[in-house]
Amino acid sequence: RKEVEQDPGPFNVPEGATVAFNCTYSNSASQSFFWYRQDCRKEPKLLMSVYSSGNEDGRFTAQLNRASQYISLLIRDSKLSDSATYLCVVKTISGNTPLVFGKGTRLSVIA
Amino acid sequence: DAGVIQSPRHEVTEMGQEVTLRCKPISGHNSLFWYRQTMMRGLELLIYFNNNVPIDDSGMPEDRFSAKMPNASFSTLKIQPSEPRDSAVYFCASSLAGSGGGFFGPGTRLTVL
Repeated sequence: RKEVEQDPGPFNVPEGATVAFNCTYSNSASQSFFWYRQDCRKEPKLLMSVYSSGNEDGRFTAQLNRASQYISLLIRDSKLSDSATYLCVVKTISGNTPLVFGKGTRLSVIA
Repeated sequence: DAGVIQSPRHEVTEMGQEVTLRCKPISGHNSLFWYRQTMMRGLELLIYFNNNVPIDDSGMPEDRFSAKMPNASFSTLKIQPSEPRDSAVYFCASSLAGSGGGFFGPGTRLTVL
């Protein structure tokens, strides 16, 4: 089983739609969780951290369910500029240890 | 403020040639990571350094790959000899202890013919 699994998509949604991505991770010792965004032919960039209590940043909401080892990202009122690949990322140990990336979910927002 | 700097941005070489990729992390960051990204395998960690010391190189695919970090502001990833299956985008990332996520450079797109 892969450490971090995501539906690769693509998700094709119209502007203004709400879309949700899910991710599961296999290591119950995982301590930190993130969503990264990667545009075509660009580097991954941190979108937001994911906290146990859930967190929101504008149109983006991230949720963590430790019991189910499940992370989600909700995007409301989708914009054309949201089109990208969204990477679910897990860190097992605190401190300077590597990030483990899912293969990403591709989103296309259509006018 | 400069982010992570990588060079070259693109490299096309022939099988058997030596390839050296370079990275300058964000000033003050004490961890550096080398990742490789392909369509088939996604982003894979190759090696990472804490305070210039290699901590885990279990992701380095073969002895053909080697990485060094001679000081806090510079790292290299070398492939010798290169093979067509090494074609990928190689990312360098840096972070500061306790900061959570890492910051990525723009990547080096390597094509081995």
